Amino acid sequence: QVQLQESGPGLVKPSQTLSLTCTVSGGSISSGTYYWSWIRQPAGEGLEWIGRISTSGGTNYNSSLQSRVTISIDTSKNLFSLKLSSVTAADTAVYYCARGSRGSYYDYWGQGTLVTVSS
Amino acid sequence: DIQLTQSPSFLSASVGDRVTITCRASQGISSYLAWYQQKPGKAPKLLIYAASTLQNGVPSRFSGSGSGTEFILTISSLQPEDFATYYCQQLNNYPITFGQGTRLEIK
Repeated sequence: QVQLQESGPGLVKPSQTLSLTCTVSGGSISSGTYYWSWIRQPAGEGLEWIGRISTSGGTNYNSSLQSRVTISIDTSKNLFSLKLSSVTAADTAVYYCARGSRGSYYDYWGQGTLVTVSS
Repeated sequence: DIQLTQSPSFLSASVGDRVTITCRASQGISSYLAWYQQKPGKAPKLLIYAASTLQNGVPSRFSGSGSGTEFILTISSLQPEDFATYYCQQLNNYPITFGQGTRLEIK
């Protein structure tokens, strides 16, 4: 059974960089044709797709965030990561990592981690 | 960006009811649509992909239909555990987008 677990600081100061890691267990991040993604959800709101990375390292980002986002993958450690720079209060949200199969149908999700942007 | 508009945004129903939720896309997305269920404090759960294919382990009372710009999620007989928020998602174009959600509550 594949499991994903987000980790990283729960509090980030404005203008700084938000950094999160998603550790994958129960299977190799390199096996199969999957896209590994980040999705966020502000409190009481809907879901916003941030971007995705393939096992070969190819990335796609939401154009609304593209100038600030970097997603990377470390197959040796079975994890992938998110960096979001120059954060503001609008970036406060629960951040989910997820596995996309058959393209980007998200069949496995992490539990989510709340990141608050505040001084 | 492709906009997905769900209707209704809020739905009140009783156990045993048949309910339908509609998702309309701002442009054609073929059958590249999924439905998710989300309960408070939990991650979304994939129910339906490719518009009408039931994800493994999802009860058969859930079904999906549609293609192009209009899609429907049907729950044939509501169970207590089905009261949640439902989202549609398109992956035909980048960026991948989600509908605003339909909150299903007990009447």
